[in-house]
Amino acid sequence: KAGVTQTPRYLIKTRGQQVTLSCSPISGHRSVSWYQQTPGQGLQFLFEYFSETQRNKGNFPGRFSGRQFSNSRSEMNVSTLELGDSALYLCASSYQESHGTQYFGPGTRLTVL
Amino acid sequence: DQQVKQNSPSLSVQEGRISILNCDYTNSMFDYFLWYKKYPAEGPTFLISISSIKDKNEDGRFTVFLNKSAKHLSLHIVPSQPGDSAVYFCAASARETSGSRLTFGEGTQLTVNP
Repeated sequence: KAGVTQTPRYLIKTRGQQVTLSCSPISGHRSVSWYQQTPGQGLQFLFEYFSETQRNKGNFPGRFSGRQFSNSRSEMNVSTLELGDSALYLCASSYQESHGTQYFGPGTRLTVL
Repeated sequence: DQQVKQNSPSLSVQEGRISILNCDYTNSMFDYFLWYKKYPAEGPTFLISISSIKDKNEDGRFTVFLNKSAKHLSLHIVPSQPGDSAVYFCAASARETSGSRLTFGEGTQLTVNP
């Protein structure tokens, strides 16, 4: 089976712009979660989607949003980018509705200038 | 509020010896624990997991031990190999309160010297 794929792998934006990141889960997985990794804060949970519904949300401002499509693919959007949004954004998919092992994609490295 | 803590930022061991990575947690609702291995600029790779109904789980060279009373888990790698050099994260989830959401520790950089 193909693993979790994320596009693009690298992205450079300027402050104030918006960005959309894409994630395709492992075939058959219906749960998709997003995480942000920064040197200072480590790996932090953004949100989780299951069957096109957001089930869980982390402590991030409303500028961070996401959605899931009927084929389980997911996108996350960050509006009005700030320098502090520079990070590795990781997507993970899981087969089970809850408590399943999450398998991560390679991440999208976002740099905000 | 750091609910999952890995107190050792780094660990160095000789090839062939045992590596022991430790993790402590504070949230008593956590009932599923996982270890991931991560290389720079890549996503974490799942290694092994354990449910709170068990106290040990083995998979090849990797064994995870869970001590619920101490809220402590550890990952043993035997024998250690140079290819094991990476950052290791422990993660936890609580089915009832937060579903699949994983809370991660800060990571431990393991270096296995030939």
